[in-house]
Amino acid sequence: EIVLTQSPGTLSLSPGERATLSCRASQSINSNFLAWYQQTPGQAPRLLIYGASNRATGIPDRFSASGSETDFTLTISRLEPEDFAVYYCQQYGSPWTFGQGTQVEIK
Amino acid sequence: QVHLQESGPGLVKPSETLSLTCTVSGGSISGYYWSWIRQPPGKGLEWIGYIYYSGSTNYNPSLKSRVTISVDTSNNQFSLRLSSVTAADTAVYYCARCIWGRSPRFDHWGQGTLVAVSS
Repeated sequence: EIVLTQSPGTLSLSPGERATLSCRASQSINSNFLAWYQQTPGQAPRLLIYGASNRATGIPDRFSASGSETDFTLTISRLEPEDFAVYYCQQYGSPWTFGQGTQVEIK
Repeated sequence: QVHLQESGPGLVKPSETLSLTCTVSGGSISGYYWSWIRQPPGKGLEWIGYIYYSGSTNYNPSLKSRVTISVDTSNNQFSLRLSSVTAADTAVYYCARCIWGRSPRFDHWGQGTLVAVSS
């Protein structure tokens, strides 16, 4: 099983700041099989990024992502109030697994 | 717009079987993979398994012995059965649509339903 480790566990930032979230895989994965999701309290996760770097429909361009093999990054260029949430990476190897999440909180 | 809605009991007794149904509206169940994902209170996401519209399935090995996912294309629904539940199975259960292909992703999710396991 591929384990995804996200860091940091919590990121404390102010609106307008840049957020950089990491997702590290326990073994190399196909970058096409890496996605990112955003979850706000009481809501279902929402697709942000698929194929490691492709924004989903309706996702603003302040969200970007990159990476390959075992190291992947999600960047939010300037945090808006609605961006404070938990972010999960996910891979589609066998079995499909999620990272444990990074909480982006208001400082 | 595709909409997914989970339904089923919110309380299940230990050792019994949890049963949930996901109804898909605004689009066809055909051509996609359909998954169940769960989230224990205050914790992260765990993929349970998927079913293709044709009926082929794949389950998380950690749950495989207890999970059955089925599909009813005539009613645009798919279902989850999880047997021999314990308190550790208490979670919000989500159904989701997975687009496969070059870059898989869960593009539509249900709102989730909380299932508590308690006597």
